[in-house]
Amino acid sequence: DAGVIQSPRHEVTEMGQEVTLRCKPISGHNSLFWYRQTMMRGLELLIYFNNNVPIDDSGMPEDRFSAKMPNASFSTLKIQPSEPRDSAVYFCASSLLAGFSNEQFFGPGTRLTVL
Amino acid sequence: KNEVEQSPQNLTAQEGEFITINCSYSVGISALHWLQQHPGGGIVSLFMLSSGKKKHGRLIATINIQEKHSSLHITASHPRDSAVYICAVNSNSGYALNFGKGTSLLVTP
Repeated sequence: DAGVIQSPRHEVTEMGQEVTLRCKPISGHNSLFWYRQTMMRGLELLIYFNNNVPIDDSGMPEDRFSAKMPNASFSTLKIQPSEPRDSAVYFCASSLLAGFSNEQFFGPGTRLTVL
Repeated sequence: KNEVEQSPQNLTAQEGEFITINCSYSVGISALHWLQQHPGGGIVSLFMLSSGKKKHGRLIATINIQEKHSSLHITASHPRDSAVYICAVNSNSGYALNFGKGTSLLVTP
């Protein structure tokens, strides 16, 4: 298995532009998580999906952020409009949930820089 | 206050030394995870445990549910162990992980 795939790996954009990050989870996994990592705050959950349905989006910073999972093999995280404070590494992880415990498999991350 | 606290924040050791990284949490959990993040940025799951102890090669993870504490031990440390080690927990109320700030480990030859 190729593992969790994220694209792009690096993105540099200007403030105000729309940014779309993409994730392909491991085949057969039923849950997908979007995390953001910054030096100041470490890793934080943004949103997670179970069986393609958003379960908890309380970590999404504000309305500029949106996430979709149209099918079991694809998810997007969109920021519109982007701001410099959105600069971070965004990780996607997938998991096969069993109860409340789950081993999560992380993608390589997308390093976003907003100028 | 973060629900997951790690110590130390930074750690430097000489090759061959025994290393311990600690993690304390303040909520009821269903599982605790130890993750490794290499300088290139990728994150790898090392252990998921809810009781007792697990061992994989030179790595050992223990958890004490009553004391809300876990430790990650590395025996016979090697420069390739240099990485950030992150403790994370599944709370009893959800699937998402709550993360510690990480421990940056440098093992020198």
